This record gives sequence, structure tokens and C-alpha cells, in this order.
Amino acid sequence: DTEVTQTPKHLVMGMTNKKSLKCEQHMGHRAMYWYKQKAKKPPELMFVYSYEKLSINESVPSRFSPECPNSSLLNLHLHALQPEDSALYLCASSQELVYSTDTQYFGPGTRLTVL
Amino acid sequence: GENVEQHPSTLSVQEGDSAVIKCTYSDSASNYFPWYKQELGKRPQLIIDIRSNVGEKKDQRIAVTLNKTAKHFSLHITETQPEDSAVYFCAAGTYKYIFGTGTRLKVLA
Repeated sequence: DTEVTQTPKHLVMGMTNKKSLKCEQHMGHRAMYWYKQKAKKPPELMFVYSYEKLSINESVPSRFSPECPNSSLLNLHLHALQPEDSALYLCASSQELVYSTDTQYFGPGTRLTVL
Repeated sequence: GENVEQHPSTLSVQEGDSAVIKCTYSDSASNYFPWYKQELGKRPQLIIDIRSNVGEKKDQRIAVTLNKTAKHFSLHITETQPEDSAVYFCAAGTYKYIFGTGTRLKVLA
């Protein structure tokens, strides 16, 4: 199984809502990533977890809160978002996060619209 | 900071012709160079990658070359087909990826 899955596929939320994005992989990977992708732009790294611990936070606003409950699951909790946060949110995983870079495999993404 | 420049931003070729996309990176510590294809509304999918100890890698119609001295790597697609139409992203990796800005490839039938 070389697949990363994400739910939901689409999400529409108001600025006062709280919602969560979910990501799952069963490849035994120990590094998991959240990216944000705006239209016609490359993916932009938000967070990296390595062995279920937050390793990288790319200065993301606190209205985005990541969580890694176990080695297969990654969540992104959303609260008080702004319309400019509307984007495709991609999850990815890789075998390790050590000295050399491993291949990252992407999920299908969640298309988020903030009204 | 680290960055990856990618050119061209758009590329149109006739079916059967070759397409070349070029990337230049700034971080000399980069040791992994993947290429992703992203169709509209879909996930980025790895199509080929190369590590810093290799100069060239080929997989059927797709090849990648790396010049570490010049900090330059390129994607070559031969015998292009309409289904090759997509956005292609290069990336340079250390412990994380730095993505290029993307190339929209259109293969005209």
C-alpha cells in the first residue's frame, strides 16, 4: 500500500467554525507533513512530524494546530480561519526525516473554502 | 534563504516532440532532487528523482540530469503525449523540500 489518504475531500467553513483535517498512511513511514497549496503555486510547507513529534513549524499562525496521535495518523485542527486560508491542504509522508531526504508521497488533499 | 528557480513557467510542445524543464537551486547541501507531476485538482505525483551521487537517471520517456557544480538539474520528456499535459514541480531536498515555482506543460495533439 503506497497511498496516503485524506478526509474530507472538500470542506467549507465559516470564520468562527472549528474543523479538523485528517490524514492517514499505512506505509510504516515515520515522517508526516502538512502543506498548503494555493492555485498555480507550489506546495508550501507548514509542519513536519518525525516519530510523532513536531520537528518543523514554518511559522504557521496559531489558528492552525497540528496533531499526530500515532505513527499512522496526522490531524490539522482549524479555528478562526480567514478567507485567505482557502487553499488545497496536502498531507505527505516519507520513510524518515534524517540526514538525507526520503521521497515524500502526497495524499489527494482537502480543498478548503473559508467564507 | 534557500530557493529553487524553475523555467520555463509555461511550455507548449507538439505531440511527439521533446520537452525540457530546468531548475537551479541555491542550497549546496541539497542532496535529493525529485520531480512531481500535478494534474488539475489532483495530488502531486512523483515521476522521477535523482540523488546527489548520480549525474543522470532515465525511466522510459523521462530522464533527469544533475550538475552539482552548477547547482542545476533538468527534466527531459521525449515523445510527448497529450496525457503528459500537467504542471511539473521540481524540488531540492535536504531535511525538507524547497519546491520550484512550477511549469505548465501543454502537449498539443
